[in-house]
Amino acid sequence: ILNVEQSPQSLHVQEGDSTNFTCSFPSSNFYALHWYRWETAKSPEALFVMTLNGDEKKKGRISATLNTKEGYSYLYIKGSQPEDSATYLCAFGTRDDKIIFGKGTRLHILP
Amino acid sequence: DTGVSQDPRHKITKRGQNVTFRCDPISEHNRLYWYRQTLGQGPEFLTYFQNEAQLEKSRLLSDRFSAERPKGSFSTLEIQRTEQGDSAMYLCASSLGGFMNTEAFFGQGTRLTVV
Repeated sequence: ILNVEQSPQSLHVQEGDSTNFTCSFPSSNFYALHWYRWETAKSPEALFVMTLNGDEKKKGRISATLNTKEGYSYLYIKGSQPEDSATYLCAFGTRDDKIIFGKGTRLHILP
Repeated sequence: DTGVSQDPRHKITKRGQNVTFRCDPISEHNRLYWYRQTLGQGPEFLTYFQNEAQLEKSRLLSDRFSAERPKGSFSTLEIQRTEQGDSAMYLCASSLGGFMNTEAFFGQGTRLTVV
């Protein structure tokens, strides 16, 4: 059974602090790793799609790394802001076109 | 608005009733996906279409669930004889080509409550 684990489940971070969280996935049958941000009452929004081992992607204060050999990805947020409060989902894509989502990390930014 | 839209946003229904949800994807997207999310869980795959063809259905999708995408544009998801366990957020997403290496665009979801 393919399983995607995200940790921590929930995180409280002081505004201005940096933070990171993890997505673990099976290293076999890997094709792509997606990160999405899901704010309350909005649609999940794609942050990154990564396919290559060693990939690093950046969008503003948010960046992600990918290690396909050991099966993990990190998402980093630098200088957290209130608008970063959201659930961050990672999704693992397999070569046979299956997408499996993790349960998400709920990030709360404290003023 | 050129994003993915879902209708209705909220639905409350009595157990045993049938419900139908609609998803309008981004117009040029050939792939359309349905997911379900229950409290504390990530989105779970239900089914997906490439144009009008339904290519895969999850084992989560019992016989009471049916989905269509008749002209390769909008899609409907019908649940017959609803049960309390069907209460969830139903999300639709679309993409151009395979979801594996291209981002998906999600709608805001339909929240179903079965009472």
